[in-house]
Amino acid sequence: GEKVEQHESTLSVREGDSAVINCTYTDTASSYFPWYKQEAGKSLHFVIDIRSNVDRKQSQRLTVLLDKKAKRFSLHITATQPEDSAIYFCAASMDGNEKITFGAGTKLTIKP
Amino acid sequence: DAGVTQTPRHEVAEKGQTIILKCEPVSGHNDLFWYRQTKIQGLELLSYFRSKSLMEDGGAFKDRFKAEMLNSSFSTLKIQPTEPKDSAVYLCASSRDRGKAPLFGEGTRLSVL
Repeated sequence: GEKVEQHESTLSVREGDSAVINCTYTDTASSYFPWYKQEAGKSLHFVIDIRSNVDRKQSQRLTVLLDKKAKRFSLHITATQPEDSAIYFCAASMDGNEKITFGAGTKLTIKP
Repeated sequence: DAGVTQTPRHEVAEKGQTIILKCEPVSGHNDLFWYRQTKIQGLELLSYFRSKSLMEDGGAFKDRFKAEMLNSSFSTLKIQPTEPKDSAVYLCASSRDRGKAPLFGEGTRLSVL
């Protein structure tokens, strides 16, 4: 089955700097890649997604890049703020199949 | 719109007990998922329903875990009998369309003594 790996288990950046979280997947049939944010003691909240028909998607300070050849995708957060501190999960699924496989999560800490 | 509602928020059980966790998906959502979250294993899919039909029964979780969806607005996850290793946060999620990111509930934190 699909395996999703998040390369950074923890990431610390200074407030105002950019943060990048990298993920890879194994199944070439995967075509949908959502990202979730989990704040301390809370549940997962969807933040942004990308489909395999594009290689870039931006929503305000968040940008997702997808490299299908390398089976790699990444989340870029610009102008980081303290409220960006959380665990971020990348995930992958095949089109038409809602079985989503999650990465292990990256704990992002924004330092003042 | 109401989100995914899970009850109870916290559950404490003795080893060997039967517990039932409840989930109400977002109205109109056709797909419902049960996940288990632990620090060591991360997020593991337990069950997945599409339009009330069980599509995924969780493989390794089959023997003591049983999810049901009696109607489109209510699902249960039964763990019988509970073991200490079942201590985790159980998350329910739902989505309306294929290939859309599911919306998660706040979860039930289960502690098995």
